[in-house]
Amino acid sequence: NAGVMQNPRHLVRRRGQEARLRCSPMKGHSHVYWYRQLPEEGLKFMVYLQKENIIDESGMPKERFSAEFPKEGPSILRIQQVVRGDSAAYFCASSPSYRITEAFFGQGTRLTVV
Amino acid sequence: KQEVTQIPAALSVPEGENLVLNCSFTDSAIYNLQWFRQDPGKGLTSLLLIQSSQREQTSGRLNASLDKSSGRSTLYIAASQPGDSATYLCAVMVVGAGGTSYGKLTFGQGTILTVHP
Repeated sequence: NAGVMQNPRHLVRRRGQEARLRCSPMKGHSHVYWYRQLPEEGLKFMVYLQKENIIDESGMPKERFSAEFPKEGPSILRIQQVVRGDSAAYFCASSPSYRITEAFFGQGTRLTVV
Repeated sequence: KQEVTQIPAALSVPEGENLVLNCSFTDSAIYNLQWFRQDPGKGLTSLLLIQSSQREQTSGRLNASLDKSSGRSTLYIAASQPGDSATYLCAVMVVGAGGTSYGKLTFGQGTILTVHP
């Protein structure tokens, strides 16, 4: 049973481009969480999604950021018109159900905006 | 708003020492507390998870305790080894509506541990 898979592992974008980060949860998991780790800062919650639904997006920046988790395929975190301040490690975690007790994390995508 | 603090921010010890990492949280209404390890440029590895009703958990040389009423947890590492060098993160899951929760974690800033031979 493969773990949480994130790709790409490293992503370089120029300012103003779009970044698309993908997360495939563990088999049997239908709940996905995205976290961001800015340089010299801790991990911060961004968004919680179930299949086809956004449950909690209280940590998402108000502009340029969006997330989806379609019925088929991976969860996507999309950042439009990236700026230098978006450079960070983005981690995805998944769980099997609403009543989870443990979070399983992917290896992360390291976004660098040049 | 839940805040998690980890002390010390960095720790350097010689191989073989027993050491303690500290984590404190401001809201005692937690569902569970989890300790993670993060190696440079890598993802998070879950080390120990303590449910709110538990006092401690053990795995090999690691022991984590939880005192929910005082908002504190400690991670004890026995007989440290150079391979233990990493950043250790503490995270709490907050109780949501109706006494249940989901996987939203609040993390501390981490303790950077260096164990030198």
